[in-house]
Amino acid sequence: QKEVEQNSGPLSVPEGAIASLNCTYSDRGSQSFFWYRQYSGKSPELIMFIYSNGDKEDGRFTAQLNKASQYVSLLIRDSQPSDSATYLCAGTNTGNQFYFGTGTSLTVIP
Amino acid sequence: DAGVIQSPRHEVTEMGQEVTLRCKPISGHNSLFWYRQTMMRGLELLIYFNNNVPIDDSGMPEDRFSAKMPNASFSTLKIQPSEPRDSAVYFCASGNAAQYEQYFGPGTRLTVT
Repeated sequence: QKEVEQNSGPLSVPEGAIASLNCTYSDRGSQSFFWYRQYSGKSPELIMFIYSNGDKEDGRFTAQLNKASQYVSLLIRDSQPSDSATYLCAGTNTGNQFYFGTGTSLTVIP
Repeated sequence: DAGVIQSPRHEVTEMGQEVTLRCKPISGHNSLFWYRQTMMRGLELLIYFNNNVPIDDSGMPEDRFSAKMPNASFSTLKIQPSEPRDSAVYFCASGNAAQYEQYFGPGTRLTVT
């Protein structure tokens, strides 16, 4: 069974700290990975995607991909209360199949 | 630029009734996805289309569910007959098949009593 797994949390961090969200996947054929943010009662919102090994930075967000370890992470620097949400990790193997994790709930404490 | 449009936003129906959910993808996108989200099961991919053709419908729960995409700007998800266990939020998402990102609509909250 091809899966994307996330720690459901909840994860709590103080305002200004770095939040680290992690995701592992079982399908070595997975090539592209995505991070979505979902506020309560709202739809998932794409915030980052990564295709290559290494780091990809966008503002306060950094996505990390390690294909050898089948590991994807999202770092949020200078966390803000507005970052409090559920973060969904997703992967695809060639665009024919898509897998979402169950999400990690993040709370940033003012 | 308009995002993905879904209608209705809320639907309450009685068990046994037919339910039709509608989706208009973002103009220019050639992939369209239907998802179901519940607290118990999270986000589940039901079916996805590429260039209006169904590519993977392995997530469709059973024959009561059907989806169509008659053209690039419209898709429907139909449940007939509906059951209380179908109560969930149904999301439509669209994207560019070459890049695989997906952009979600606001969802339809379905309640079957």
